[in-house]
Amino acid sequence: RKEVEQDPGPFNVPEGATVAFNCTYSNSASQSFFWYRQDCRKEPKLLMSVYSSGNEDGRFTAQLNRASQYISLLIRDSKLSDSATYLCVVNNRNAGNMLTFGGGTRLMVKP
Amino acid sequence: GAVVSQHPSWVICKSGTSVKIECRSLDFQATTMFWYRQFPKQSLMLMATSNEGSKATYEQGVEKDKFLINHASLTLSTLTVTSAHPEDSSFYICSAPGGGARYEQYFGPGTRLTVT
Repeated sequence: RKEVEQDPGPFNVPEGATVAFNCTYSNSASQSFFWYRQDCRKEPKLLMSVYSSGNEDGRFTAQLNRASQYISLLIRDSKLSDSATYLCVVNNRNAGNMLTFGGGTRLMVKP
Repeated sequence: GAVVSQHPSWVICKSGTSVKIECRSLDFQATTMFWYRQFPKQSLMLMATSNEGSKATYEQGVEKDKFLINHASLTLSTLTVTSAHPEDSSFYICSAPGGGARYEQYFGPGTRLTVT
């Protein structure tokens, strides 16, 4: 079983749609959680951290459920420019701050 | 966020040659940097942790004698792929913790290596 699991997609949605991605992690010692975005042939870029209380940044909302070891990302009012691969990332500070990546979920927003 | 640069951004080399990739933190110091490899349509896989002033820590299955890492200063880590073979062709990306409380990491733009 992978440490961080995501549905690979692709999710094909029309502009303006709301789309949600889920992620589960297996290491209960994980301490920090992030969503990164990666465009084709580019490096990952930090989209947002995920806090236990849930957090929102514009059209993006992230949720964390530590008991279920589950992380989500909600994108409202999808734009064409949101098309990318979204990586669920977990950090275990006890393991030298290593990041563990999910396989990514591919999103395609269409006109 | 913090800025990490990598050089070169792409390189084509012949089988058997060595290639050096540089990773620099531009506006902050990084005692630790990470090196990843990403094959097409796959996620990033951690290769090694580069530590300033001490030896790198390699992940299981990564040959330390083939992938030489040197953390020369608080802003520079280098990865040398020695005796490169076509199966080493990949996207190599470095990252460094930006110093934030949540230990988020910032990535360099990556180096695309093609070995012919």
